[in-house]
Amino acid sequence: SAVISQKPSRDICQRGTSLTIQCQVDSQVTMMFWYRQQPGQSLTLIATANQGSEATYESGFVIDKFPISRPNLTFSTLTVSNMSPEDSSIYLCSVEDLMGLAGGTQYFGPGTRLLVL
Amino acid sequence: RKEVEQDPGPFNVPEGATVAFNCTYSNSASQSFFWYRQDCRKEPKLLMSVYSSGNEDGRFTAQLNRASQYISLLIRDSKLSDSATYLCVVNSGGNKLTFGTGTQLKVEL
Repeated sequence: SAVISQKPSRDICQRGTSLTIQCQVDSQVTMMFWYRQQPGQSLTLIATANQGSEATYESGFVIDKFPISRPNLTFSTLTVSNMSPEDSSIYLCSVEDLMGLAGGTQYFGPGTRLLVL
Repeated sequence: RKEVEQDPGPFNVPEGATVAFNCTYSNSASQSFFWYRQDCRKEPKLLMSVYSSGNEDGRFTAQLNRASQYISLLIRDSKLSDSATYLCVVNSGGNKLTFGTGTQLKVEL
């Protein structure tokens, strides 16, 4: 499976500010995904990031709040804009199984723990 | 109704016990199914895929019942290191994975 890293691993931010999270993969992948995992909850897909096109956002998530970049096949960023305490969460990026096995399983980065005060 | 439902637990079992987790999904068009494991403060990791014929990987057995829209995971001879949250995950088409809220397992001495 791909090796995925995220920066920062954690941060504490003031409300009203923005944070950009980076996701780096050690091989080229077509699709990258951004998820949120709020305290005590499971994962919720924010958006799918394709290289060369705009990200596709899930219901309840908008580009103004969560702008995404995908400049190449190994890298993506997610920005959490104008943060409020409700944005406190773990943010994870993932990539599809490179071998194309088992109908689209995904592998996850280590996550970014965000606390908004 | 949630797309993927699991009993949140926790399941507290002694070492060596057999434990089973169940999961139901609402979208009958779902195409593929997985169990992930998530340790505290870590990312989810793929445990195994789930096939209609059932599949086994060591102490772990997964079953899928499409007619009942039901998935199960059986863990035999539980180890302390099996303590984690087990996430039922469904691919309903395209690239979208839908996660259950997870079942917490605690294996005790």
